[in-house]
Amino acid sequence: NAGVTQTPKFRVLKTGQSMTLLCAQDMNHEYMYWYRQDPGMGLRLIHYSVGEGTTAKGEVPDGYNVSRLKKQNFLLGLESAAPSQTSVYFCASSQQGAGGYTFGSGTRLTVV
Amino acid sequence: AQSVTQLDSQVPVFEEAPVELRCNYSSSVSVYLFWYVQYPNQGLQLLLKYLSGSTLVKGINGFEAEFNKSQTSFHLRKPSVHISDTAEYFCAVSDVGFQKLVFGTGTRLLVSP
Repeated sequence: NAGVTQTPKFRVLKTGQSMTLLCAQDMNHEYMYWYRQDPGMGLRLIHYSVGEGTTAKGEVPDGYNVSRLKKQNFLLGLESAAPSQTSVYFCASSQQGAGGYTFGSGTRLTVV
Repeated sequence: AQSVTQLDSQVPVFEEAPVELRCNYSSSVSVYLFWYVQYPNQGLQLLLKYLSGSTLVKGINGFEAEFNKSQTSFHLRKPSVHISDTAEYFCAVSDVGFQKLVFGTGTRLLVSP
């Protein structure tokens, strides 16, 4: 089925460890996004991309890096994980215009 | 920059009763408005969107929303809720350039028998 796939679905990290979250979409969407969801705070934009090879900072970019080397993939990296990065991370994609987002099912990350 | 306020963090309601979830936005430019639903342990699904035209927008699962420019509101309504409507609902706004969405903090709808 067409959509947005996030891997992994769950991960536990120790403080200071690094990891990469992968987002893949097969809808040929131009735009891709990484959000984090925390209780009572809704979804906050970390980074986004409006096309292959481009990235931009969102509302809460500190501690994260991203890359969009291929149009269908958007990677989110944590270089040195901190407990404050414990969250549920959602990837989304959209076509140009205002069609709305298609979301992945999320990655639940715990940093201990 | 845009912002969204969802004043109600939780709305309890009985099955078959009507419900309204409130959303107010702030923007200095024209906007697009969206409602998303999130069922437990799932991603977000688009319920409905307002881009232009009629201010009353109908979505999936019997939901509708009305865009009120003068009150900068986009409230979500359903005339009769079901147990299966229990979920978290997010209002979101973007400018008409539509590079990114700004989400509200969400409203948890709790439907009981």
